[in-house]
Amino acid sequence: AQSVTQLDSHVSVSEGTPVLLRCNYSSSYSPSLFWYVQHPNKGLQLLLKYTSAATLVKGINGFEAEFKKSETSFHLTKPSAHMSDAAEYFCVVSPFRSGTYKYIFGTGTRLKVLA
Amino acid sequence: ETGVTQTPRHLVMGMTNKKSLKCEQHLGHNAMYWYKQSAKKPLELMFVYNFKEQTENNSVPSRFSPECPNSSHLFLHLHTLQPEDSALYLCASSQELYRARTDTQYFGPGTRLTVL
Repeated sequence: AQSVTQLDSHVSVSEGTPVLLRCNYSSSYSPSLFWYVQHPNKGLQLLLKYTSAATLVKGINGFEAEFKKSETSFHLTKPSAHMSDAAEYFCVVSPFRSGTYKYIFGTGTRLKVLA
Repeated sequence: ETGVTQTPRHLVMGMTNKKSLKCEQHLGHNAMYWYKQSAKKPLELMFVYNFKEQTENNSVPSRFSPECPNSSHLFLHLHTLQPEDSALYLCASSQELYRARTDTQYFGPGTRLTVL
């Protein structure tokens, strides 16, 4: 069965410093992977997705993630945090086979950005 | 957020009330979803509709009743809820149900439900 693990429930960084949010997955097949962000009182917004093309994926707002099959990881990074990045981030694994459709969500990482 | 809208944004109801949540997508998608988001738990998929037909009921109690009159609208009818049903209810849509490997799900802002 496929699963996704977000290794940190909370991450705090200072404004202007790098952000690293960690995500590991388990799968018997090559997955598609997504990062979504949820700001307070908002729905989930897609940051970026990996669908078996380039392993380094660039998303919105300066975020990027690298798919590493050997490490079964898809960590989200940003070179310099901004106050507006404070939110909850979800790593998501998509179905591995055609004919299925359920997303598998991580439990989320809450990012706090300190002034 | 004009892609997927949800109303109301906040709802407080007693256990004996009947209320409905509404979701509308303006993206021309064919698949729509209801999720429940509770504190410290992963998002839980509740119901899925594809071209107005229900394809998934993820063991949701019958006090939650979905309705999908067309591909653009999705409702969640609520009755005799319990306090543990308090949560954020999110609606989402995607272009094609069985292209989930590459399709993106677009989420609405959610309805914050409190059951007293």
